[in-house]
Amino acid sequence: DIQMTQSPSAMSASVGDRVTITCRASPGINNHLVWFQQKPGEAPKRLIYTISSLQTGVPSRFSGSGSGTEFTLTINSLQPEDFATYYCLQHSSYPLTFGGGTKVEIK
Amino acid sequence: EVQVVESGGGLVQPGGSLRLSCAGSGFTFSDHYMDWVRQAPGKGPEWVSRSRNKANGYTTEYAPSVKGRFTISRDDSKDSLYLQMNSLKTEDTAVYYCVRSCSGTSCSDGYYYYMDVWGKGTTVTVSS
Repeated sequence: DIQMTQSPSAMSASVGDRVTITCRASPGINNHLVWFQQKPGEAPKRLIYTISSLQTGVPSRFSGSGSGTEFTLTINSLQPEDFATYYCLQHSSYPLTFGGGTKVEIK
Repeated sequence: EVQVVESGGGLVQPGGSLRLSCAGSGFTFSDHYMDWVRQAPGKGPEWVSRSRNKANGYTTEYAPSVKGRFTISRDDSKDSLYLQMNSLKTEDTAVYYCVRSCSGTSCSDGYYYYMDVWGKGTTVTVSS
C-alpha cells in the first residue's frame, strides 16, 4: 500500500497567516493527489485535484503544488472559515489512501 | 443540483449484515465511477470500495480491511449504488459516505470529477 504521511498533524494559526501543509508519498504517486477540507459534522469537501487544479468555487487563496513524493497545500491569508481539518488522498494505486490529517486551529 | 444521498445505516450486532444505498441525481450516474468512503469516530476518512462505470465493465475494487465481506454493486437504471456488508465487526463502525468519482472510458480522462461530490453520510454502528 502507498503510505501518505501528512504534517503537521495539528497547528495553531491566526487570521491572515500563510499556512503550509505537506503530504509525503511512499512510493511516488505522479500527479494522483487530491486535497480535502473537513469541518466538524460535515463530509469532506474537495479543494484541489491532480496536485494543483482548484475545485470550482474554492477561493484562490488555496493552492497546491509538488510532484512525485512531496506535495503541499498552501492557504494564503487564512480566513475564519478555513479553520478545519485537511486531508490528502493518493489515487495512484489501490487501495486509495488518505493522509492522517492536519487540524488547523485558531491561535 | 448534483447530489448523492445515502441511506440504510443503523445498529447491527457483530457478525450481522447491512445494506447501504446511495441515490444519485443531477448527473449522468452511469458515466461515473462511484466510491464508498467511511470515517470512524474521531478518525480520518478511509476508502472502502469502488465501482467502475459501464464503459469499464462495472469492475470493482476493495480495501483489504473489507475484501471478502463487503460487496459493492450498482443499478444505473435507478441511479443507485449499494454496499452489502456482511460479517460486520465492531471496527466497521463509522459514517459511510457515497462519493462520485471520475468518468469516461479511462479514469484519467475524467479527473475533473475525481471524488468531487460527497453525500452527508449514513451511520453504521456495530455493537452488541
